[in-house]
Parts: sequence; C-alpha cells; structure tokens
Amino acid sequence: EAEVAQSPRYKITEKSQAVAFWCDPISGHATLYWYRQILGQGPELLVQFQDESVVDDSQLPKDRFSAERLKGVDSTLKIQPAELGDSAMYLCASSLAGFYTEAFFGQGTRLTVV
Amino acid sequence: GQQVMQIPQYQHVQEGEDFTTYCNSSTTLSNIQWYKQRPGGHPVFLIQLVKSGEVKKQKRLTFQFGEAKKNSSLHITATQTTDVGTYFCAGHPGGSYIPTFGRGTSLIVHP
Repeated sequence: EAEVAQSPRYKITEKSQAVAFWCDPISGHATLYWYRQILGQGPELLVQFQDESVVDDSQLPKDRFSAERLKGVDSTLKIQPAELGDSAMYLCASSLAGFYTEAFFGQGTRLTVV
Repeated sequence: GQQVMQIPQYQHVQEGEDFTTYCNSSTTLSNIQWYKQRPGGHPVFLIQLVKSGEVKKQKRLTFQFGEAKKNSSLHITATQTTDVGTYFCAGHPGGSYIPTFGRGTSLIVHP
C-alpha cells in the first residue's frame, strides 16, 4: 500500500540550530501539505503545494521557516534557527489534484528543541 | 479569523456506550472531512461529506453534515476499545482550498 514517507521520525536539536525534514508523497499526488501539530491540538497548515508551486504559506513563519518542492515530487521543510516553541510534530500529507480530496498523512517527524 | 470548533475536547465512555463529537464553523463549509488519529499515530481519513444535510454511515459510525453546512457530527454506536483515539474534523470554509482542522475530540473507552 502506498504511503507518504517522512524522515527523520524523531529529531532533537538545540535552539538556534538548523533542522530539516523530508517528505516523499504518494506517487501521482500533486498536492502536498506540511502541517504542525502541537500536542492536544489539531494539525495546523504551514504550507500547501500544488506540484512545485506554493498554493498557500500564509501560516508559515517565513523569518525562520522555508519549504520547497523543486521538482514537484518530494519536499523539504527547514527551520533556521530553531526555537524552543518549535517543538511539535511535523506532518506531511499528500492528495490527488483538485479540491476537497482526501489527504494521506505520513508518520510525522517529532521535533524537540532543547 | 475563520475557525472550525470541535467539542468536547475529551470524552470518557464505558465500552458499549455511544459517543458523539460535534464540529461547528462560523462560516459555511464547502465540505467536511473526518480523520482519526490513534495515540502515537498520524491522522487517517475516515470520510468526506459535501452535500447539505448529508448523512453517511460506516458500520457503527454515522456522519452528518448540517443543512446550513456550518456544522457536522460523528456518532459512534456501542463503542469498542478499538475506537480509542482522537477524531478530527476538517473543512474548507467559504470555498477556500485551505483545509482547517478542529482541535479534535479524544475518545477514551473504558473496558
């Protein structure tokens, strides 16, 4: 069964360091999402791609976060410098093109900033 | 801003009891999706509702979309321990293509 792949699963980093997460969506899925989920809350959309283009990044803290999907397939989310408040689960999801299609989530990357 | 509110935040039930979670939006939703996240897991898609007043069933789960397309509910009949997890609704307010998730309802089932 096709899955969204994310790595690493866990990451501990010191504040002010740089950290990067990788996501490989399900083959053929044009839409890719990065979400941040704080414990006890719902996923919060950070950035949405349609192929290689950013559809929405209004909730992405652009002073420290960046995301790219250069070839319209896999994607990288970077944080530099990391802050204590960035500790959370970072989830990648993908879906077929078009509105209102179901999203398939990866296992996520649990980030702890110390 | 546009929000999707979900209540209750937690629900404890005895195995065999029913469970309902409610999702409300301040604006009309184009659709509503429901996801389940097991403890330590990731959200898994359950269902999508699009039409006003739509009702869909999956075995013991019943999903409803309100007539005004501003609210939705998920009802589980005769809960089982396998139903444990957090149930999230997600909608697209006002035709936006940006999905907005509720905070989720965590279901705890006591055997």
